[in-house]
Amino acid sequence: GQNIDQPTEMTATEGAIVQINCTYQTSGFNGLFWYQQHAGEAPTFLSYNVLDGLEEKGRFSSFLSRSKGYSYLLLKELQMKDSASYLCAALDSNYQLIWGAGTKLIIKP
Amino acid sequence: TAGITQAPTSQILAAGRSMTLRCTQDMRHNAMYWYRQDLGLGLRLIHYSNTAGTTGKGEVPDGYSVSRANTDDFPLTLASAVPSQTSVYFCASSGGREGTNEQFFGPGTRLTVL
Repeated sequence: GQNIDQPTEMTATEGAIVQINCTYQTSGFNGLFWYQQHAGEAPTFLSYNVLDGLEEKGRFSSFLSRSKGYSYLLLKELQMKDSASYLCAALDSNYQLIWGAGTKLIIKP
Repeated sequence: TAGITQAPTSQILAAGRSMTLRCTQDMRHNAMYWYRQDLGLGLRLIHYSNTAGTTGKGEVPDGYSVSRANTDDFPLTLASAVPSQTSVYFCASSGGREGTNEQFFGPGTRLTVL
C-alpha cells in the first residue's frame, strides 16, 4: 500500500531551528512536496524535490533521499508566524499526490 | 487573478439532502481535484479530472459525484448527504507549470451534515 509518515506534533522555540521528517512508500515516485497550512486556511506550496539533495529557499530547506524514501523540511530562525501544520505529500506513478496527516508545529516564545 | 474560488464558505445540511459544492479556477489549469480533510487523517482525494471532459475516482469517492464540462469549473455533488460527510472540502488545480505538478488550493468549504 501507499503510506506517508510524519510526526503528529512538534514544539520549538522562536529563533531556533526545527527539522520535520517524512518517510514515504508509494507505487512509483515522481517527487515530494511540502505544504504549509495555517489553522482554518488552505494548504500553500512550500517546496518540491524530485532529485536527491537539499533545496534551499530562504529560511526553509527541503531534503530528499529517494533510496531511503525519506525527506525532511528544515525551518531556520523560527518566527511565531511559522506556527502551522506542515504537510508532506509524495507524487505516485499516476501523478496523484499521496498526503501525510501533517505535522502541527507549535512555536513558543 | 482570483486563482481558485469555492462556494459556499460553509454550510449546514440536513441528512438526506443533496448539495453541490462549487469550484472555479481562472489559471487555465488542466487538472482539478476534490479533497476532504478530517482531523488526524490528512487530505484524502475524492475525485479528480485530468482535463475537461474526463473525471476519475480517488481514494474516497462513494457518495460523491463530479463533472468537468469545461476547464474552469469542477463542481462536487453530494446526492444524499450523511453525517460522515461532515468535513472540510478543498478544491485544487494543477498544470500551470510543466514538471512540478504543484497543486493550488481553494479556500475550502466547511460542511456540517446533521
